[in-house]
Amino acid sequence: ETGVTQSPTHLIKTRGQQVTLRCSSQSGHNTVSWYQQALGQGPQFIFQYYREEENGRGNFPPRFSGLQFPNYSSELNVNALELDDSALYLCASSPGTSGGALNTGELFFGEGSRLTVL
Amino acid sequence: QQQVKQSPQSLIVQKGGISIINCAYENTAFDYFPWYQQFPGKGPALLIAIRPDVSEKKEGRFTISFNKSAKQFSLHIMDSQPGDSATYFCAASRAQKLVFGQGTRLTINP
Repeated sequence: ETGVTQSPTHLIKTRGQQVTLRCSSQSGHNTVSWYQQALGQGPQFIFQYYREEENGRGNFPPRFSGLQFPNYSSELNVNALELDDSALYLCASSPGTSGGALNTGELFFGEGSRLTVL
Repeated sequence: QQQVKQSPQSLIVQKGGISIINCAYENTAFDYFPWYQQFPGKGPALLIAIRPDVSEKKEGRFTISFNKSAKQFSLHIMDSQPGDSATYFCAASRAQKLVFGQGTRLTINP
């Protein structure tokens, strides 16, 4: 059983550019969530995808967008990068239920993608 | 709006001692309370978790104490070891969406 994998591990962009981060969920998990972790802070919820549909969004502007694919992998896209977007971006996967009710609490995180915006 | 408050920010404990980290939450709709351990350059790893219908859960050296009426919960690490040195985050969850505390940097001195 493979865990959550993210790519790239590190990247550097300049202000105004766009970035795409990728995540492969843990085997058997159909729910993927993205979190932003600024240096010295706890992770903050960006959004969650369940069976390819957005299922909740945190307090992030629309230039943060995402996708989930039929194999449950996911992408996070950030447009018009700002200096404050520099952070560790974490992907987490979790098992849902066939009935659609997300009643399990366990989330398993990847190692993250470290984004630096200059 | 800070929904989960964690203290202390940093903690130094001697090897073999007990490490205690506290958290308080505001939203009574939360239904799952995990603790994560994070080493530098790594993602958070689930350590132990509890649901609000239980007052205590123990796994090895790690214990969560949960006080529903006070909306507080804590992590106790018994017989703390240098390998426990890491940053610890409490969190509260509803529908698998986590709200994290600010983190506690724990250092275990040998």
